[in-house]
Amino acid sequence: QQQVRQSPQSLTVWEGGTTVLTCSYEDSTFNYFPWYQQFPGEGPALLISILSVSDKKEDGRFTTFFNKREKKLSLHIIDSQPGDSATYFCAASNVNTGNYKYVFGAGTRLKVIA
Amino acid sequence: EAGVTQSPRYAVLQEGQAVSFWCDPISGHDTLYWYQQPRDQGPQLLVYFRDEAVIDNSQLPSDRFSAVRPKGTNSTLKIQSAKQGDTATYLCASSRDRNTGQLYFGEGSKLTVL
Repeated sequence: QQQVRQSPQSLTVWEGGTTVLTCSYEDSTFNYFPWYQQFPGEGPALLISILSVSDKKEDGRFTTFFNKREKKLSLHIIDSQPGDSATYFCAASNVNTGNYKYVFGAGTRLKVIA
Repeated sequence: EAGVTQSPRYAVLQEGQAVSFWCDPISGHDTLYWYQQPRDQGPQLLVYFRDEAVIDNSQLPSDRFSAVRPKGTNSTLKIQSAKQGDTATYLCASSRDRNTGQLYFGEGSKLTVL
């Protein structure tokens, strides 16, 4: 059962461009959505996150948008840099239960070309 | 502050052999997770602990996989009679955040079963 879906599977953008990654989920009880960034040979690291009470969160060049009605999220990266080349995972959880079982999407592999 | 430490980083086995992976979480983190990440997929939860107690092991293939955290600090994940389908990276993560359960991942242990 794939509860969190990501698209596209892979993406190539030019340096300086804007990257848009999307994520959708099925379980309406999910209320916390972190995005993780993973470089080859490393574990995922938290990039940015959003609670379902918000519709936008910004951190530098990274912004995540949340649409509760459509059960969709997106991650926007402005002024994309070669150092942003990594795999990005969307995850979801219900933080009200006290049991932090995250469900991860399959990831989007981003390549930024100089 | 030291991050999550895992060992070994790599393991290569023949089918039927056993392997153990070790994880040292961030000091003070009471919650510890083991995830399985097949190649080109997102992390999938196997088991997680709060202190020494297993909170959820419903996704752990119990006939061949086992995990322990006897003193509520370090943890060991053991795979007996490995199969080719077990080929994946095994990620350990820890957390102490009661609001969102933010995960801090180790670099992972990459298992190849021939």
